[in-house]
Amino acid sequence: GAVVSQHPSWVICKSGTSVKIECRSLDFQATTMFWYRQFPKQSLMLMATSNEGSKATYEQGVEKDKFLINHASLTLSTLTVTSAHPEDSSFYICSSRGSYNSPLHFGNGTRLTVT
Amino acid sequence: AQKVTQAQTEISVVEKEDVTLDCVYETRDTTYYLFWYKQPPSGELVFLIRRNSFDEQNEISGRYSWNFQKSTSSFNFTITASQVVDSAVYFCALLGGATNKLIFGTGTLLAVQP
Repeated sequence: GAVVSQHPSWVICKSGTSVKIECRSLDFQATTMFWYRQFPKQSLMLMATSNEGSKATYEQGVEKDKFLINHASLTLSTLTVTSAHPEDSSFYICSSRGSYNSPLHFGNGTRLTVT
Repeated sequence: AQKVTQAQTEISVVEKEDVTLDCVYETRDTTYYLFWYKQPPSGELVFLIRRNSFDEQNEISGRYSWNFQKSTSSFNFTITASQVVDSAVYFCALLGGATNKLIFGTGTLLAVQP
């Protein structure tokens, strides 16, 4: 079946550095990509929605200059956490689908720890 | 606005008990999808079911069953004869047709004791 590969599965970085998270759809064309953030014991909070070739639509309160989303192709979307700080430590999950009626597929998540 | 409410934060049952997880949603969209996902401690999301707004038929899949009632905006999930492996956080989610956003409820932590 369809698979979404998210990489890396975990990353530790120093405060002030940038981290890139990749989300690849392996056997389907991902027209829409959703990026979520999950703090421990909390729900998944939608950060942004991106459509291939277009700028991402960010949710209220999410800094677009801090969380850069690129969806340049139908198989790859990236989330870059710029100038990371300890409060950015979280679990980030991507989700993608083809058309609106297509199933949603989730990556396995990236656990980011900023020291 | 879209909203998903899972009023039960944590539920603890003993193995073989039946348990129902509640989900109430709000949306102005006439077309939408409802989902249930399971999140074990490892963190990945496991898809359980998707139901569109025009299909109110209840569904049964093994020990799992779902009761969708548009009149009460509810999409409840029942696990029959629970097992320890069912222990996880369960999320209900809503994808609105007009908004194109998948919104999650706050989740219910299910602990099944042996």
